[in-house]
Amino acid sequence: QQQVKQSPQSLIVQKGGISIINCAYENTAFDYFPWYQQFPGKGPALLIAIRPDVSEKKEGRFTISFNKSAKQFSLHIMDSQPGDSATYFCAAGGYGGATNKLIFGTGTLLAVQP
Amino acid sequence: DAGVIQSPRHEVTEMGQEVTLRCKPISGHNSLFWYRQTMMRGLELLIYFNNNVPIDDSGMPEDRFSAKMPNASFSTLKIQPSEPRDSAVYFCASSLRAANQPQHFGDGTRLSIL
Repeated sequence: QQQVKQSPQSLIVQKGGISIINCAYENTAFDYFPWYQQFPGKGPALLIAIRPDVSEKKEGRFTISFNKSAKQFSLHIMDSQPGDSATYFCAAGGYGGATNKLIFGTGTLLAVQP
Repeated sequence: DAGVIQSPRHEVTEMGQEVTLRCKPISGHNSLFWYRQTMMRGLELLIYFNNNVPIDDSGMPEDRFSAKMPNASFSTLKIQPSEPRDSAVYFCASSLRAANQPQHFGDGTRLSIL
């Protein structure tokens, strides 16, 4: 119940295209869903996050879509750029008990080709 | 603002030696997390602290691993004795409070055990 399943494992997108990464969770106690971006040699950095009271959140070219009934959320990167090439992690967290920590997905390696 | 500071950035040592990794969280953050990242297992939470008190150490792989947080501005992760399978990148992260808040990661310590 603590798992967060992330797909695809890797993704190649042409410059200007849309990158889509999907995640699914099981524990309905989760109420915080962040996405992290990691460049080689660096720690993960918070990109965007959503809470289950909204179905979508947009920040610049990055959008999270959230489907509470399906227990799924996804990251959309519009107009993908070579500088977006990185590893992306979804995560889920809650407050209290076993959910009082972030559970990370396995990561998606995104390559944006010029 | 200074982010999470980890030291050393790289550590190479021989099997059986004691290894100590250090972390300075962001000032004012009350929660501190230690993660391990490998290709095979992804990003794993080892232990986390709230207000300097260890809350969940269920991710600590063996008794060879120990972590302390003597004050709000410093934490250590120690491996004694070290083994080649401990080779990984170790990250420290901090957040204002519970895990359903943004976590800020350091740039990690790349540990190689020969």
